[in-house]
Amino acid sequence: NAGVMQNPRHLVRRRGQEARLRCSPMKGHSHVYWYRQLPEEGLKFMVYLQKENIIDESGMPKERFSAEFPKEGPSILRIQQVVRGDSAAYFCASSPGGGVSYEQYFGPGTRLTVT
Amino acid sequence: KQEVTQIPAALSVPEGENLVLNCSFTDSAIYNLQWFRQDPGKGLTSLLLIQSSQREQTSGRLNASLDKSSGRSTLYIAASQPGDSATYLCAVLNRDDKIIFGKGTRLHILP
Repeated sequence: NAGVMQNPRHLVRRRGQEARLRCSPMKGHSHVYWYRQLPEEGLKFMVYLQKENIIDESGMPKERFSAEFPKEGPSILRIQQVVRGDSAAYFCASSPGGGVSYEQYFGPGTRLTVT
Repeated sequence: KQEVTQIPAALSVPEGENLVLNCSFTDSAIYNLQWFRQDPGKGLTSLLLIQSSQREQTSGRLNASLDKSSGRSTLYIAASQPGDSATYLCAVLNRDDKIIFGKGTRLHILP
């Protein structure tokens, strides 16, 4: 049973380009969480999704960031018109259900560098 | 608003020593607390998870304790080895289903 997979592992974008980060949850998991780790900072919650539904996006920046988790395929975190301050490690986690009863399992992260 | 603090931010100890990493949190209404290990440029490895009703968990040379009422947890590493060098993250799961992370303690074991 493969763990949570994220790709790409490293992504370099120039300012103004778009970044698409993908997260494939563990088999049987229907809930995905995205976290961002800025340099020298702790991981911070961004968004929580169930298939075809955003449950909580209270941690998402109001502009340029969006997330989806379609019925088929991976969850996508999309950052439009990237700026240098978006450079960070983005981690996703998945769980088999929603709520505190279910442990979140983390992927290896995508390291985004904006030049 | 839940805040998680880890002290010290960095720690260097000689190989073979026992050591303690500290974590404190401001809101005791947590569901569980988890310790992770993060190697440079890598993802998170879950080490120990303590449910709010538990006082401690052990795995090999690692022992984590939880005192929910005082908002504290410790991670005890016995007989440290150079391979233990990494950043250790403390995280609490709030009842609103959000995980709040500390900034971590960077541990360096001197051979």
